[in-house]
Amino acid sequence: GQNIDQPTEMTATEGAIVQINCTYQTSGFNGLFWYQQHAGEAPTFLSYNVLDGLEEKGRFSSFLSRSKGYSYLLLKELQMKDSASYLCAVRRSYNTDKLIFGTGTRLQVFP
Amino acid sequence: DAGVIQSPRHEVTEMGQEVTLRCKPISGHNSLFWYRQTMMRGLELLIYFNNNVPIDDSGMPEDRFSAKMPNASFSTLKIQPSEPRDSAVYFCASIAGTGPPSRNTGELFFGEGSRLTVL
Repeated sequence: GQNIDQPTEMTATEGAIVQINCTYQTSGFNGLFWYQQHAGEAPTFLSYNVLDGLEEKGRFSSFLSRSKGYSYLLLKELQMKDSASYLCAVRRSYNTDKLIFGTGTRLQVFP
Repeated sequence: DAGVIQSPRHEVTEMGQEVTLRCKPISGHNSLFWYRQTMMRGLELLIYFNNNVPIDDSGMPEDRFSAKMPNASFSTLKIQPSEPRDSAVYFCASIAGTGPPSRNTGELFFGEGSRLTVL
């Protein structure tokens, strides 16, 4: 089976740093994705990792360890607008665009 | 450029009725996906098409669900008959590319979703 696990909810304070973890067990791996979804809206792409290491994009960074089946999304200098759900997703094969999503982590940022 | 367009945005229907959801992918995108999202199960892939051909429909719950893509700019997801447990947000997404995903980051572009309530 396919298993992608994330914490259900997290809270943090404006200006702080938060790390959202994702572990996966899938038959095949060819990339890990993070999407952001505000309440009532569509998911939007944040980041993509296919090799081990850290990918930085502004206030957001994503890390991957393939040997551990582990990724995290790091959000720095949190803003109120970062309150959203963060979805971890895995692409299992080179020959498909199909993504398997975790259930998401709902992040609430407080002033 | 217009994004992925879905209709209707909201639908309320009674159990047993037929429901048809529609999607227009981004022009030039050759793969289209139908996802269903609920609080309990998150975002689940129902079916995906590549060049209008269904590639993987293993996520389609049962025979009550069917999907078609008659051309590159239109797809439908039909539920007949609908049941209360089908209540969810149904997202359509598309992706560009001309082959295996090495040519892009694999970014899916999602529509705004169709919120279905079956009473």
